[in-house]
Amino acid sequence: QSVLTQPPSVSGAPGQRVTISCTGTSSNIGAGYDVHWYQLLPGTAPRVLIFDNANRPSGVADRFSGSKSGASASLAITGLQTEDEADYYCQSYDNSLSAYVFGTGTKVTVL
Amino acid sequence: EVQLLESGGGLVQPGGSLTLSCTASGFIFSKYAMSWVRQAPEKGLEWVSIILNDDAGGRTYYADSVKGRFTISRDNSKNTLYLQMSSLRAEDTAIYYCAKEAGMGSHYKFYRHVWGKGTTVTVSS
Repeated sequence: QSVLTQPPSVSGAPGQRVTISCTGTSSNIGAGYDVHWYQLLPGTAPRVLIFDNANRPSGVADRFSGSKSGASASLAITGLQTEDEADYYCQSYDNSLSAYVFGTGTKVTVL
Repeated sequence: EVQLLESGGGLVQPGGSLTLSCTASGFIFSKYAMSWVRQAPEKGLEWVSIILNDDAGGRTYYADSVKGRFTISRDNSKNTLYLQMSSLRAEDTAIYYCAKEAGMGSHYKFYRHVWGKGTTVTVSS
């Protein structure tokens, strides 16, 4: 089961800002491990949006931003676009499981 | 352009075995750690296994859910990653993605940089 908790869904109108939270524990995010964010679109390969808490790979729009504080992290999408409708997952490392752990996933809907 | 192409998925009976392959191109395969991640139907992502590069001794790590049943390996001469799966269970039914790792330092800092489109494994009688 997932050890990082995300809201099941968030929604917003085109152009709005939405945020997705990712809550961990003292054995993963709270222990200082980095958080990464991935986007899953049906029928396509998943892609990394944010790595090491707040860094964007080349080719990722600057509308996507990440932050981390304590045992939690957040992904923000500003200027929401229809193509942003997708599932989003956070990921970190857990030292009690000795495993990479993903969040529960959040479906973003553009109204 | 980095490309990863998974193959080998299919229908297998409970208790059976299957080997997945991931053919890589567009980068020096031997220099990078590689991993497998899966997504069961209507479920979230689950990390399965990682294999480090030869400089790191090719060490392997597994999720508890597959430890002792799955084996990850690589053939650098063929730019191919493998996942041998045995004693398969219904709960192993999923799309299996291979991923090229990125990150500096210890493996716990790695993240899945580039992903393939996945191959589907169905375990059912």
